Amino acid sequence: GENVEQHPSTLSVQEGDSAVIKCTYSDSASNYFPWYKQELGKRPQLIIDIRSNVGEKKDQRIAVTLNKTAKHFSLHITETQPEDSAVYFCAARDNYGQNFVFGPGTRLSVLP
Amino acid sequence: GAGVSQSPSNKVTEKGKDVELRCDPISGHTALYWYRQSLGQGLEFLIYFQGNSAPDKSGLPSDRFSAERTGGSVSTLTIQRTQQEDSAVYLCASSLGSSLGYEQYFGPGTRLTVT
Repeated sequence: GENVEQHPSTLSVQEGDSAVIKCTYSDSASNYFPWYKQELGKRPQLIIDIRSNVGEKKDQRIAVTLNKTAKHFSLHITETQPEDSAVYFCAARDNYGQNFVFGPGTRLSVLP
Repeated sequence: GAGVSQSPSNKVTEKGKDVELRCDPISGHTALYWYRQSLGQGLEFLIYFQGNSAPDKSGLPSDRFSAERTGGSVSTLTIQRTQQEDSAVYLCASSLGSSLGYEQYFGPGTRLTVT
């Protein structure tokens, strides 16, 4: 089955700097990769996603890149703000199992 | 419209008792997922429903766990003879379908504490 790893587990950046979180997956059949943000005590919310036929996707300060050959994808947050502080989860999904496998999460702290 | 709702929000139970957790998906969402999130951990997939059927039960940790969905809507997750290691937040999510690109919307979760 699919296995998703995520690094780093914790990340601290100064406000205004960029943050990068990386995930790797094992199943080459996986073709959909969402990223979720979970603030303390709240439910996960989708912030961006990418399909396997696309190499990069951007939405304002957030971007995701995908390297299918290497089986890894990354989340990039530019001009970080304190409200970006949260736990971020990556996930992978294929068309067969149709369930999502999540990474263990990255706790991002943006220091003012 | 209303989002995904779950009940109860908190449940404290004694070891060995059975518990039932409920999930009300967004109206019209045919796919429904159950996850478990232990303190400070990621999301562990438990089971997935497409309509009333569960094509993937691979994540259920033991035969003490079962889930059903009736009428293509409400789902219940039942844990029998609860153990302390069952303590976690149980999250439900629904999506319009199970095909690519359908976003999962999460409920607020049920925090289960087994004493």
